Amino acid sequence: NAGVMQNPRHLVRRRGQEARLRCSPMKGHSHVYWYRQLPEEGLKFMVYLQKENIIDESGMPKERFSAEFPKEGPSILRIQQVVRGDSAAYFCASSPGTSTNYGYTFGSGTRLTVV
Amino acid sequence: GQQLNQSPQSMFIQEGEDVSMNCTSSSIFNTWLWYKQDPGEGPVLLIALYKAGELTSNGRLTAQFGITRKDSFLNISASIPSDVGIYFCAGQYSGGYQKVTFGIGTKLQVIP
Repeated sequence: NAGVMQNPRHLVRRRGQEARLRCSPMKGHSHVYWYRQLPEEGLKFMVYLQKENIIDESGMPKERFSAEFPKEGPSILRIQQVVRGDSAAYFCASSPGTSTNYGYTFGSGTRLTVV
Repeated sequence: GQQLNQSPQSMFIQEGEDVSMNCTSSSIFNTWLWYKQDPGEGPVLLIALYKAGELTSNGRLTAQFGITRKDSFLNISASIPSDVGIYFCAGQYSGGYQKVTFGIGTKLQVIP
């Protein structure tokens, strides 16, 4: 399967724990985007990364959230000291370039539940 | 920031009926995209539009890029049960890098 791979599919964390969400882009894609979807809401942009660089983090909460896309390995979205309001589906998309001529390909998402 | 208004937010239709949903933006876009999300899955691209006035079809789906570049619609003809899902419009203004902005989605239910 050459699609965008996200894991885990489901993640349960207690309040105050850390959540780590992983995204492996499609082969040949060097641009990764993270979106958050709250229940009954649309997709909200969080962050855009290229290899080893954060290009746009205008949608990321200023505290507790961080993202990286290292030279080797998947992109990681990290949420520290999770709270109930962090419960949501987190989607990763990848593209070979910034133009939507290439389209964004989404993964199946990670559903985070904070208890 | 850019705002996308998508309507209706939900629809119940009989199998075989045609469906129409639309999106309007507070600012112009150079690209309009329509995605479908099945329950428990990520969004899948249905149609991409790149020129004002463009009308594009994909099977029973037809989408148009509005002349003003501030709106787009998606039509589904002869709906079937597997059309059930959430349909999202999305837009991008291409002036260097610009993130893709999504609408809130239209939840479609098809009654057999």
